[in-house]
Amino acid sequence: GENVEQHPSTLSVQEGDSAVIKCTYSDSASNYFPWYKQELGKRPQLIIDIRSNVGEKKDQRIAVTLNKTAKHFSLHITETQPEDSAVYFCAATPYNQGGKLIFGQGTELSVKP
Amino acid sequence: DGGITQSPKYLFRKEGQNVTLSCEQNLNHDAMYWYRQDPGQGLRLIYYSQIVNDFQKGDIAEGYSVSREKKESFPLTVTSAQKNPTAFYLCASSMGSTGEQFFGPGTRLTVL
Repeated sequence: GENVEQHPSTLSVQEGDSAVIKCTYSDSASNYFPWYKQELGKRPQLIIDIRSNVGEKKDQRIAVTLNKTAKHFSLHITETQPEDSAVYFCAATPYNQGGKLIFGQGTELSVKP
Repeated sequence: DGGITQSPKYLFRKEGQNVTLSCEQNLNHDAMYWYRQDPGQGLRLIYYSQIVNDFQKGDIAEGYSVSREKKESFPLTVTSAQKNPTAFYLCASSMGSTGEQFFGPGTRLTVL
């Protein structure tokens, strides 16, 4: 079955710097890749997603890139702010398996003022 | 976010007890999911349902049971067969099987 690996597990940056989180997946048939942000004790919230027919997607300071050949995708956050501090999860949806999400282990991002 | 609710927020279980976690959504979503989250880990799928009266096991279904009698409701029962049930339980729903999943606020279950 699908397996998603996420790196790094922790990331600390200065306010204003960029942050990059990387994920790899194993099932080449996976076709949907969302990124979630989870603050302590709260529910995960979708921040951006990408489908397998697209190589890059951008939403203000957040972007996601997908390399289907290498089976990896990355989250890029530019001009980081303290409120970006949270745990970020990547996920992949295997094709034709009811839409279930297979999650990475998470990255704890800390943005220092 | 307000379209999917879970109750209770906190739940305490004694050894040998079954407990049921509630999940309700008013988003008219077809698909619903239950995930378990342990500290410092990602979410793992317990059960999911694409339509009423049908559901499938996820990766860690042992010791859990579900029902889907109504479109808007997908309760999860944690049985006494689940040996390590202390965790944060998250319910989610989506319009179809390839769309965004919206999460409920979660239920934190603790075994006493």
